[in-house]
Amino acid sequence: AQSVTQLDSHVSVSEGTPVLLRCNYSSSYSPSLFWYVQHPNKGLQLLLKYTSAATLVKGINGFEAEFKKSETSFHLTKPSAHMSDAAEYFCVVSDPQGGYNKLIFGAGTRLAVHP
Amino acid sequence: DGGITQSPKYLFRKEGQNVTLSCEQNLNHDAMYWYRQDPGQGLRLIYYSQIVNDFQKGDIAEGYSVSREKKESFPLTVTSAQKNPTAFYLCASSAQETQYFGPGTRLLVL
Repeated sequence: AQSVTQLDSHVSVSEGTPVLLRCNYSSSYSPSLFWYVQHPNKGLQLLLKYTSAATLVKGINGFEAEFKKSETSFHLTKPSAHMSDAAEYFCVVSDPQGGYNKLIFGAGTRLAVHP
Repeated sequence: DGGITQSPKYLFRKEGQNVTLSCEQNLNHDAMYWYRQDPGQGLRLIYYSQIVNDFQKGDIAEGYSVSREKKESFPLTVTSAQKNPTAFYLCASSAQETQYFGPGTRLLVL
């Protein structure tokens, strides 16, 4: 069965410093992986997705993630944090079941950005 | 604008009352989904529908019901059988494997 583990429930950085949000997955086949962002009391916005093309995936707002099969990881990074990046981030793996693409969500990482 | 709309933004339920949350999309997506989000947790799937007039239970369907009479609409009813309905409810639709989410409805119990 597919599963996702976000290794940090909270991450705190200073504005202008790098961001690293860690995600490990478990999958019995080559998965599709996603990162979503959720600002308070809002819906989820797709940041980026990996679907077996290039292992380094670029997303919106300067975020990128690298798929590492040997480490079963899909960590999210950004070179320089901005105050507006403060939000909750979800790592997600797709689990196809009889033609239906079920999404398995991690528990989330809350990113705080300090001036 | 293309997208997914949910209404209302906040909804209050009295004991023993059924309430219905609206979800509409104009993305021409066949598949639609309802999720529940509790504080500090990821999303859990309540129901999904891959096509009009068909829907399937997700992981936590007890106490909820849905209908899918139109491609654009997938309303969720929280019934009185759902004993702990306070949560943030998110609707999504998908093209292939990527799901796009609405802004959510927060349900509170009076």
